[in-house]
Amino acid sequence: AQSVTQPDIHITVSEGASLELRCNYSYGATPYLFWYVQSPGQGLQLLLKYFSGDTLVQGIKGFEAEFKRSQSSFNLRKPSVHWSDAAEYFCAVGLVDMRFGAGTRLTVKP
Amino acid sequence: SQTIHQWPATLVQPVGSPLSLECTVEGTSNPNLYWYRQAAGRGLQLLFYSVGIGQISSEVPQNLSASRPQDRQFILSSKKLLLSDSGFYLCAWMAGSYEQYFGPGTRLTVT
Repeated sequence: AQSVTQPDIHITVSEGASLELRCNYSYGATPYLFWYVQSPGQGLQLLLKYFSGDTLVQGIKGFEAEFKRSQSSFNLRKPSVHWSDAAEYFCAVGLVDMRFGAGTRLTVKP
Repeated sequence: SQTIHQWPATLVQPVGSPLSLECTVEGTSNPNLYWYRQAAGRGLQLLFYSVGIGQISSEVPQNLSASRPQDRQFILSSKKLLLSDSGFYLCAWMAGSYEQYFGPGTRLTVT
């Protein structure tokens, strides 16, 4: 069965620092992978997705993610974090029956 | 453009009472529809999904049920609520590109 693990429950970074959020998946075939963000008081929004092709995908708000099949990972990165990036981030795998991870809460220090 | 509506936004219900949460989508036809429950530290738990009218897939055996009486309407129900049913319930629809678009959610507190 497909599943997603986000090892980090909570991460704190300073504004302007780089960010990497980890995601590991389990999927029986070629995975369809997603990152969503849930900002305080706002709904869930898609950041980026990976289906096939280039393993480095670009998303909105300056985020990118890299698919590594050998490590079953799809980590989210951003070179320089802004205070407005404070939110909860969810990794997801699958298509019709999508599975989400437990989420990583990001706090940004001024 | 597509819009997804959920109501009510908040709900406080006593244990043992019934539940009905409604979700409707506008601007698209025959969407895949989803119900998730979000609990702190547990992410989004897929409860039900539907690929068409009357077609419901249940992911978690529980006290809840779902129905899809119309193409763009998805209802989450319970005959008797439990304390453990408290949580934040999200409805979503899936676009052709497999992106999911989420509603604003319903905060359910069972007392």
